[in-house]
Amino acid sequence: GAVVSQHPSRVICKSGTSVKIECRSLDFQATTMFWYRQFPKQSLMLMATSNEGSKATYEQGVEKDKFLINHASLTLSTLTVTSAHPEDSSFYICSARGSGGGSNTGELFFGEGSRLTVL
Amino acid sequence: GNSVTQMEGPVTLSEEAFLTINCTYTATGYPSLFWYVQYPGEGLQLLLKATKADDKGSNKGFEATYRKETTSFHLEKGSVQVSDSAVYFCALINTGGGNKLTFGTGTQLKVEL
Repeated sequence: GAVVSQHPSRVICKSGTSVKIECRSLDFQATTMFWYRQFPKQSLMLMATSNEGSKATYEQGVEKDKFLINHASLTLSTLTVTSAHPEDSSFYICSARGSGGGSNTGELFFGEGSRLTVL
Repeated sequence: GNSVTQMEGPVTLSEEAFLTINCTYTATGYPSLFWYVQYPGEGLQLLLKATKADDKGSNKGFEATYRKETTSFHLEKGSVQVSDSAVYFCALINTGGGNKLTFGTGTQLKVEL
């Protein structure tokens, strides 16, 4: 099946620094990518939807200037957590939908997730 | 809005035991329902799905039936194996929700010998 890879899988940073997480589709072109955040014992919360070559669409309550999303190519989307603080510590997961995928099939392909810890 | 409620984990079972993970949902219209599985250190993978009422999704011995009357999509397996240990997420997509996946909180399953 299709593979989506995230990097890094774990990152620890100091408060106030910025952290970039990459999401790559390895064997298909992803016109749309999604970024989720998961708190312990809670469901995955959609943060934003990014479409290649255009600005990301953020969900209500998600700070655009805090979580910068770039989808510059059909195989790469990046999430940058700017000026990270301890409350940004979480598990971030990306998913990708190929150009041929149906919009209502739910057959998204997920990355392994990236655990961010801000000290 | 849309929401998915799953039973809390972790669920611990002995090998060959019967598994049920409950999932109920709230949505308008006719959503499509899914179960995703996340094995340790891996991304979420689609396990099975059902797109209309009374449909049964099945894969790898797991089954779930779309019950509109009870708004449920419970996951079942007759005989679990140690390799089934993972986190299981119930989810739905609803065209009224902008075609976005709504997830439950996930249920961790541990299968012991």
